[in-house]
Amino acid sequence: GDSVTQMEGPVTLSEEAFLTINCTYTATGYPSLFWYVQYPGEGLQLLLKATKADDKGSNKGFEATYRKETTSFHLEKGSVQVSDSAVYFCALSDQGYQKVTFGTGTKLQVIP
Amino acid sequence: EAGVTQFPSHSVIEKGQTVTLRCDPISGHDNLYWYRRVMGKEIKFLLHFVKESKQDESGMPNNRFLAERTGGTYSTLKVQPAELEDSGVYFCASSPTSGAYNEQFFGPGTRLTVL
Repeated sequence: GDSVTQMEGPVTLSEEAFLTINCTYTATGYPSLFWYVQYPGEGLQLLLKATKADDKGSNKGFEATYRKETTSFHLEKGSVQVSDSAVYFCALSDQGYQKVTFGTGTKLQVIP
Repeated sequence: EAGVTQFPSHSVIEKGQTVTLRCDPISGHDNLYWYRRVMGKEIKFLLHFVKESKQDESGMPNNRFLAERTGGTYSTLKVQPAELEDSGVYFCASSPTSGAYNEQFFGPGTRLTVL
């Protein structure tokens, strides 16, 4: 079945540091890929998505590129802020967008 | 526009008791999903409603879990009797039925603790 593997946290960075959270996936078809974010006390929010190979999703300074050859969708940001502290989930949807398969989540803490 | 709401935000019960979680989707969204995150693990799909019908309940862990969506509006997820391993955060999501990709909008979750 489908699965998503992402790097374990927690990840602690200083403000303005470069962020990479690795994500790889296994799917039978051609999934759409997502990064969701959960800020403290809030629900899951879609951060960015990519629906086909080589697409780059971007939002709020975060980027991720759909790499079919390496089955990866790594999340990057050039300069993190304290407000980026949250849990980040890599995810995919491979059944007409009806069921989302998530990774375990990576907690990011950014310190001033 | 109001987002997906869930009630309660937290619930602490003893093993063997019954708990009912409620989800109110975004108005007009036909699709409603339940997911669960057990401590430190991935968020797992439980089931999917289209209006009042169960489209996919392949993720329901066992028959102690019962989900309903009477009238195709809000949904409830009942756990009876609750076991220790049922502890976790239960998320609800909804999406419209139109377009090629229907983003799922998630609620804040209900944190269930079974003692």
